[in-house]
Amino acid sequence: DAKTTQPPSMDCAEGRAANLPCNHSTISGNEYVYWYRQIHSQGPQYIIHGLKNNETNEMASLIITEDRKSSTLILPHATLRDTAVYYCIVRYYTGNQFYFGTGTSLTVIP
Amino acid sequence: DAGVIQSPRHEVTEMGQEVTLRCKPISGHNSLFWYRQTMMRGLELLIYFNNNVPIDDSGMPEDRFSAKMPNASFSTLKIQPSEPRDSAVYFCASSSMSLSLNTGELFFGEGSRLTVL
Repeated sequence: DAKTTQPPSMDCAEGRAANLPCNHSTISGNEYVYWYRQIHSQGPQYIIHGLKNNETNEMASLIITEDRKSSTLILPHATLRDTAVYYCIVRYYTGNQFYFGTGTSLTVIP
Repeated sequence: DAGVIQSPRHEVTEMGQEVTLRCKPISGHNSLFWYRQTMMRGLELLIYFNNNVPIDDSGMPEDRFSAKMPNASFSTLKIQPSEPRDSAVYFCASSSMSLSLNTGELFFGEGSRLTVL
């Protein structure tokens, strides 16, 4: 599976959009981009995933660049409860393994 | 649905003792994963099962670790003998994997926090 690179930490003001970047320059055509988050001491939680089109659900939006070498997770109106570590993962659509990197620690500031 | 259920939530034991962690996946899920999380190494995939069969155990640190899935509703992760460096939070996750309905969503349990003295 392709390796991902994320900034170790970010801050975001409450109510503002949080934009979390992820680089996956070695991604291949069959690999999906997944985002999970882990709130302190809990198990990771699925957020969203995509292949090449932008995706949106009730939690977030996922923007994938045309060359698919990077993506951005957008939390449109960050709340204090969004403070967590966010993981970007790429894997084959048939692959079962999920390898979590170090993620981005997002702190939402009141 | 009750979600993925892990037990015990907390375990404190002494070096050399046997530790057994248990996991009940979500009913109907056919894939089960064991992860270990520490501050130093983050989330590590130890092993995963598909339809009760171990598919990849390359993440299991050494022979002291073993995992079984005797049926679709139960899995164990055993450490024998335990060592202080095994102290970590162990997560179990399950998923329903199919080529046609592959959302890739893993459902995690609340974890088992192990402390080996």
